[in-house]
Amino acid sequence: DTEVTQTPKHLVMGMTNKKSLKCEQHMGHRAMYWYKQKAKKPPELMFVYSYEKLSINESVPSRFSPECPNSSLLNLHLHALQPEDSALYLCASSQQISGGAYEQYFGPGTRLTVT
Amino acid sequence: AQSVTQLDSHVSVSEGTPVLLRCNYSSSYSPSLFWYVQHPNKGLQLLLKYTSAATLVKGINGFEAEFKKSETSFHLTKPSAHMSDAAEYFCVVVDSNYQLIWGAGTKLIIKP
Repeated sequence: DTEVTQTPKHLVMGMTNKKSLKCEQHMGHRAMYWYKQKAKKPPELMFVYSYEKLSINESVPSRFSPECPNSSLLNLHLHALQPEDSALYLCASSQQISGGAYEQYFGPGTRLTVT
Repeated sequence: AQSVTQLDSHVSVSEGTPVLLRCNYSSSYSPSLFWYVQHPNKGLQLLLKYTSAATLVKGINGFEAEFKKSETSFHLTKPSAHMSDAAEYFCVVVDSNYQLIWGAGTKLIIKP
């Protein structure tokens, strides 16, 4: 099974709301990632978790807060977002971070709209 | 630093004709390279990967890519396009910190 699941598929939130995106994988992967993708652009890396520890934070604003409760789950907590944060948010996982031998498997994404 | 350039933003072919999506990379060492595909409003799916084994790499759905070090290229090909191949294709190189460096993408359009 090479599936990464994400919920919800779509999310509309106001600028004062708090919401969370969820990601799950059952492939035994120890690295998990959050990406942001704007229309007609490649994904941009936001966060990387390795063995449930935050490994990389690509200077993402604090209104985005990641959490890795266990090796299968990854959350992205959202608070006080701006309209420019509207995008497709993709979760991915790989066996480990290191090396091109470990390809990343992507979920279907959450389409976020901030009003 | 590693970088990747996809030479065409759009490629249009007729169904049943060959597909060629071009990708050039820049790397100071022997790179790992991927091609991913993204269908409209979907996530990304790995088509194939090169990790310094065979230079001709076969992927899913009849796609293949050839690693040419002398030309720093990793072009994606398919002998016969199908309507279901219409999608955005991304060429990716792995950087020295093991993160993915993405090309800008090529939109493949299939004419009936």
